[in-house]
Parts: sequence; structure tokens; C-alpha cells
Amino acid sequence: GQQLNQSPQSMFIQEGEDVSMNCTSSSIFNTWLWYKQDPGEGPVLLIALYKAGELTSNGRLTAQFGITRKDSFLNISASIPSDVGIYFCAGQLTDGGSQGNLIFGKGTKLSVKP
Amino acid sequence: NAGVMQNPRHLVRRRGQEARLRCSPMKGHSHVYWYRQLPEEGLKFMVYLQKENIIDESGMPKERFSAEFPKEGPSILRIQQVVRGDSAAYFCASSPGTALLGYTFGSGTRLTVV
Repeated sequence: GQQLNQSPQSMFIQEGEDVSMNCTSSSIFNTWLWYKQDPGEGPVLLIALYKAGELTSNGRLTAQFGITRKDSFLNISASIPSDVGIYFCAGQLTDGGSQGNLIFGKGTKLSVKP
Repeated sequence: NAGVMQNPRHLVRRRGQEARLRCSPMKGHSHVYWYRQLPEEGLKFMVYLQKENIIDESGMPKERFSAEFPKEGPSILRIQQVVRGDSAAYFCASSPGTALLGYTFGSGTRLTVV
């Protein structure tokens, strides 16, 4: 089946650092979404991207929809402790499937450096 | 303005019992989606429903799993004769229509099969 390869799997952050993560696929997507999930909760939508090349910001978060429509990245600038959690990319394919059928990456776990 | 409500939050079942998971969408939302999340994994699409109709069930296992979204009342995901491999977090999302921006997840039901 279709897969999203999300990296890194985990990373440690120090307050104030910038963070970057990305997703790639061999399939073409017409929508990319970035979610954050806190322990014991459902995913919360951070940013939605609908056009190839689109660059969108939401506060300290910036995400881009790759030109080839096969990748996306998420940057977090000046990280703060509440940024810890698991970040997921998700995409909707172009070839068929209902609009509800999102493919999720395996997540990037952000933790605080000890 | 309540979000997507799922209950129970935690459910323990013995092997062979039935599990019923309930999802009440946000007010005004008529589209419901169910996803399953295994530990350390992303969410996997199961089924997409509108009122009284199953639109896409391509992610549902062929046996033991069923879903409904009746005209009145919550959407139900039903798992018959549960096995240990069914242990997972099950998330429901709802939207008012086809716009992904309105796609909101509930907090999930954690099913444990003992």
C-alpha cells in the first residue's frame, strides 16, 4: 500500500532551537497535512497545504508542499517546552480514494534534551 | 461548542467479547471517519461514513468489524469476537463536508483485549 516516510523518527530539542522534519512518498499527493498528537489525545491539525510549492506559516510553524507533490517539510522555530509531542504528516492521494482517506506517516517524536 | 466526543475513553474486553465504540461528531458535521493507531505507529484509515451511508470502507478488516452512522445518534464502530491484535487506539474524526480544514479528531478510545 501507499506509504509516507517520515524523518527523523525522534529528536531532542533544547528550548530556543529550530526544528525540522519531513515526509516523502513515491506517490503523488494533492493535499498535505501536519498534525501534533499529545499523549492520550487525538491529533490536532497544525497546517494544511493544498498546492504544489505552497509555503504556509502558523505562528512559529512553517510547512511547504513540495513541487513534485511527493514531499513536505515542517519547521518549528525557536522551540518551547510545550512543543514536545509527536508530529505526523498526512496526505490525500490524487488517484481515487474518498476525501476521507488520509495516509499518515509514522510520526516524529519531539522530546526535551536532558 | 463541544468537539468530537468519543466514549468510552478506555475499554477492556476479554478475547471473544464484543467491543462497541461510540463517536458523536461536532455539531453540524455529517461526515465521520474512523482510524486505528497501533503503539508507535501513525493512524490507519478504516472507514468513512455519512448519515446512514458507508462511503468508503477500504480500510476495514473484512471480518468482525462493522460501522454505522444512523440518522439519529452517534456513529458506532463494532468489533465482534475481539482478539489481542485488536488492542489499539481508535480515533474518530468528523467534518462538515468535503473540506479537510474542518476535519477534527476526537480523543480516541483505547481498547485493550486481555
